[in-house]
Amino acid sequence: EVQLVESGGGLVQPGGSLRLSCAASGFTFSTYWMSWVRQAPGKGLEWVALIKQDGSEKYYVDSVKGRFTISRDNAKNSLYLQMNSLRAEDTAVYYCAREDVQYQTLNGMDVWGQGTTVTVSS
Amino acid sequence: QAGLTQPPSVSKGLRQTATLTCSGNSNNVGDQGAAWLQQHQGHPPKLLSYRNNNRPSGISERFSASRSGNTASLTITGLQPEDEADYYCSAWDSSLSAWVFGGGTKLTVL
Repeated sequence: EVQLVESGGGLVQPGGSLRLSCAASGFTFSTYWMSWVRQAPGKGLEWVALIKQDGSEKYYVDSVKGRFTISRDNAKNSLYLQMNSLRAEDTAVYYCAREDVQYQTLNGMDVWGQGTTVTVSS
Repeated sequence: QAGLTQPPSVSKGLRQTATLTCSGNSNNVGDQGAAWLQQHQGHPPKLLSYRNNNRPSGISERFSASRSGNTASLTITGLQPEDEADYYCSAWDSSLSAWVFGGGTKLTVL
């Protein structure tokens, strides 16, 4: 069964750090681009970061540039999101998602995890 | 980063047809189209249609996607109670080098 399982969420104070993990199974993780997407309480989806199969390309939404770092360990079938200098507006459910690519075009996020909740509050 | 534009809500009757729209520009929707996701309350999103308008395996034929210029559409035929959910469009923006999402449309099945 194709599966993504996030972990690492929790309550953190403003200015603090947190590292999210996403464990992949049921597919060849090393051959897929991967993304993090978040959803603030009662709000819509917001893409956060994207990483290429070998980690050589990374992209971020403007609001997290310089604070968040996406990375992966293909030997461990795992995706990570290091979040520093956290703000109240980073409070959200964070999902990891697998990217489908067709003819070098990002085609959509076809597998999603259940999400992990990050709360930034004093 | 500017997002895609979706109507906040759409209401249709049981067994009717709903068409949801998603407007972008030539750098995102107009470039390679939009993907569509469905999200039920308390659950993660589920992909209904890839940007090339193909359906993933297991998605009902009642869901079909199309694009005209910078506007993408998702048509749901024979509405069922379980279709009541939030629907999001998304597209890769080649000028921003970023995924952009619509704000979502809440579909109510009357």
